[in-house]
Amino acid sequence: SQQGEEDPQALSIQEGENATMNCSYKTSINNLQWYRQNSGRGLVHLILIRSNEREKHSGRLRVTLDTSKKSSSLLITASRAADTASYFCATDATGSARQLTFGSGTQLTVLP
Amino acid sequence: EAGVTQFPSHSVIEKGQTVTLRCDPISGHDNLYWYRRVMGKEIKFLLHFVKESKQDESGMPNNRFLAERTGGTYSTLKVQPAELEDSGVYFCASSRRSRGTDTQYFGPGTRLTVL
Repeated sequence: SQQGEEDPQALSIQEGENATMNCSYKTSINNLQWYRQNSGRGLVHLILIRSNEREKHSGRLRVTLDTSKKSSSLLITASRAADTASYFCATDATGSARQLTFGSGTQLTVLP
Repeated sequence: EAGVTQFPSHSVIEKGQTVTLRCDPISGHDNLYWYRRVMGKEIKFLLHFVKESKQDESGMPNNRFLAERTGGTYSTLKVQPAELEDSGVYFCASSRRSRGTDTQYFGPGTRLTVL
């Protein structure tokens, strides 16, 4: 498997429900970032969590990081149709000179 | 504060032609990165500038790709000659700090189609 793999690959939920996406990685990291990409558009930065942090909140987003398991989760609460997008985790590995390694992403569809 | 901008948004060229992509980072950001996503695969790192210097170009696929950042401001990525497998979306990102944890802000990308 590759650094920064997300699961599930696709997720379909009803508006108002919570969506949880997971990310696993292989190497030691400085931080882990989550990005969103709406169809055909650029990457929008959502949240960054440092390796010494365990949980972080931003609005309806909650990110957890477990460095012992090399995994992270992104929770979107009270989802909206506008949350429909692809979500990527990206890791900044220690010693990597700051390049990000992306996973293949989770396609989230929120049905109205 | 203006975000990262990229030009053009789309480019369609024939195999063997040359294309130059441009990226303007956020003002004051010394770090500039190029990434690309081809054929629906993962977004892959290409290279990293710190000001005008190439810090890391380990992701550049071959010598048909040339990136420059003269003066440490905007950057160009030239593909010459373009091949079919170069089709994809090319993203540029910038960040402020060279050390420590820092957020990379991405541009909208340039969609390159090589026919």
